[in-house]
Amino acid sequence: EPEVTQTPSHQVTQMGQEVILRCVPISNHLYFYWYRQILGQKVEFLVSFYNNEISEKSEIFDDQFSVERPDGSNFTLKIRSTKLEDSAMYFCASSLNGELFFGEGSRLTVL
Amino acid sequence: QKEVEQNSGPLSVPEGAIASLNCTYSDRVSQSFFWYRQYSGKSPELIMSIYSNGDKEDGRFTAQLNKASQYVSLLIRDSQPSDSATYLCAVNLMNTGFQKLVFGTGTRLLVSP
Repeated sequence: EPEVTQTPSHQVTQMGQEVILRCVPISNHLYFYWYRQILGQKVEFLVSFYNNEISEKSEIFDDQFSVERPDGSNFTLKIRSTKLEDSAMYFCASSLNGELFFGEGSRLTVL
Repeated sequence: QKEVEQNSGPLSVPEGAIASLNCTYSDRVSQSFFWYRQYSGKSPELIMSIYSNGDKEDGRFTAQLNKASQYVSLLIRDSQPSDSATYLCAVNLMNTGFQKLVFGTGTRLLVSP
C-alpha cells in the first residue's frame, strides 16, 4: 500500500540552526501538507501546497518557515532559525482529493 | 476561532463492548469530517471519513454525523485491546480540493481484556 515517507525520524538541533525535514508524498497525490504536534497537544495545520505553490498557511507558519518541492517526488519543510518552541513532531501528509494520509513524522528537538 | 471539542477521557470499556466517541465542532460551514486513530508516539491513521448526515459503517466502525447539531461520533463494536489508542476527530474547513483540518485534542480509549 502506498505511503507517505519522512526523513529524518528524529533530529536534534541547537537553537538558531536551520533544519530541513523531508517527505515523499504518495505518488499520484496532488495536495501536500505539513502539520505539527507539540507533545501532549493537538495536531495543528501549518501549510498546504498545490500546483507548486502554497495554497494556505496558518499563523504558525511565519517567515522562519518555508516549503519547497524541489523535484517530482520530494516535499521539504525548512525552518531557518529554530527556536525552543519549534520542538514538536512534524507530520507530512498528502491527499488526492479528500482523505489525508500522514507520514510517520519527524521528531524535532531544539536544545 | 474554529474549535473541535472532544472529551479527553480515558474512556474505559471491556473487550467486546461498544465504545462510543463523541465530537462537536463550532464552524457550521465545515464540509467533511474524519476520525483518526493515533497510537502513542505515532502518526494519525485514518479510520473513517464522513461527508453527509447519517451513519456510515466500515467493518466494526460506524461514524455518525449530525450537521444541525454540529456533532460527529464514532462507534467501535466488539472493541479489542488493540483498539486502545487516542481517537482524533478532525474537521475540514475548506470546500476546495485541499484539506485544512482542525483537530480535537483526542479521546483516549482503553480496552481491557
